[in-house]
Amino acid sequence: AQSVAQPEDQVNVAEGNPLTVKCTYSVSGNPYLFWYVQYPNRGLQFLLKYITGDNLVKGSYGFEAEFNKSQTSFHLKKPSALVSDSALYFCAVRDNYGGSQGNLIFGKGTKLSVKP
Amino acid sequence: DGGITQSPKYLFRKEGQNVTLSCEQNLNHDAMYWYRQDPGQGLRLIYYSQIVNDFQKGDIAEGYSVSREKKESFPLTVTSAQKNPTAFYLCASSISVFTDTQYFGPGTRLTVL
Repeated sequence: AQSVAQPEDQVNVAEGNPLTVKCTYSVSGNPYLFWYVQYPNRGLQFLLKYITGDNLVKGSYGFEAEFNKSQTSFHLKKPSALVSDSALYFCAVRDNYGGSQGNLIFGKGTKLSVKP
Repeated sequence: DGGITQSPKYLFRKEGQNVTLSCEQNLNHDAMYWYRQDPGQGLRLIYYSQIVNDFQKGDIAEGYSVSREKKESFPLTVTSAQKNPTAFYLCASSISVFTDTQYFGPGTRLTVL
């Protein structure tokens, strides 16, 4: 079965420090991977995606993610965290072969808290 | 939140009542989706539609119904058969179901009293 895991429920970072939000996946075929961010009581906003090509993907708001095929990971990173980055982050993988083909399978989310 | 609107933002329902959540998009996307979000569980797919007059069940379709009579509209009805309907409901759309990036609306928070 295809799945995505976010092993940390919460990540705490001091403003100005680098941040990493972890994601690992299990998928048949080539992985299509995504990161979304959700602010309180809002919908999800697309940050970035990996389909093919360069393993380092750059996205919105200074975020980037590194695709690592051998470790089946797609960790979200930012060199210098801002308080305004505090939100809920979701990793997702495209369902290539399941019953809902083409749809996204989401992780449970990681709450990022950036303190001044 | 792009060109996807959901209404109402908050909805209260008495047990035994059906309610309909609205989702409209002006992105000219063919595919539309409904997700349910519960704390600590991420998003779960309820229904999706690839084109007008077609829709498919997702992982948790029981107690829900949808229609897709127009390309821009994909309303979700939460029926009285849904055992635990209190949740945050998110609508999304994408160019097609095989095109990857989904764009989300602002959500509707449904509370059953």
